[in-house]
Amino acid sequence: DVKVTQSSRYLVKRTGEKVFLECVQDMDHENMFWYRQDPGLGLRLIYFSYDVKMKEKGDIPEGYSVSREKKERFSLILESASTNQTSMYLCASSDFGRGGTDTQYFGPGTRLTVL
Amino acid sequence: GESVGLHLPTLSVQEGDNSIINCAYSNSASDYFIWYKQESGKGPQFIIDIRSNMDKRQGQRVTVLLNKTVKHLSLQIAATQPGDSAVYFCAENPDSGTYKYIFGTGTRLKVLA
Repeated sequence: DVKVTQSSRYLVKRTGEKVFLECVQDMDHENMFWYRQDPGLGLRLIYFSYDVKMKEKGDIPEGYSVSREKKERFSLILESASTNQTSMYLCASSDFGRGGTDTQYFGPGTRLTVL
Repeated sequence: GESVGLHLPTLSVQEGDNSIINCAYSNSASDYFIWYKQESGKGPQFIIDIRSNMDKRQGQRVTVLLNKTVKHLSLQIAATQPGDSAVYFCAENPDSGTYKYIFGTGTRLKVLA
């Protein structure tokens, strides 16, 4: 089974702090993703990485950056946390499947609260 | 912890009955669809998928139906159990073979004992 783990289940930070969210997958997947999930909204893509040191902006990259130094690890960085970044953050990974499908498998999520 | 689905539509079903959860997708070009289950405080879990060249696919106790004419997807759960209580949402892949997905907001399924 695919296993995607995230470093923290719950985090509380203060406005202006630098925040690191870590994600690790154990299936040698090429692709990794960071989403945020807010009540009443579908998952929104923040950043995507298709290879080590490669990244692409998603739909809402403002205020975030990412790092992928190793294939299995994808980090999301909030350079200066703000209260509007309080959310559930979900990491996912996928491999380009047969037939062109790209099923994404999710980690357990990190609930971040910025005070 | 706080639910991600505070304002979600809710379907309440008696234990043992069948459940039908619906999803209207947005893009007629979408050719791959996934249903996810998300329990409180956990990440989404893959349940079943379907390609656009099919209109029905069955798994263990779950069936997904696809109606491309009206852009509608449904998830049927047979003999619903308490462990099925969760938020269910669909995802569509509008750009074939890429990572881009559009995710629905979900439906909360409550199983009544």
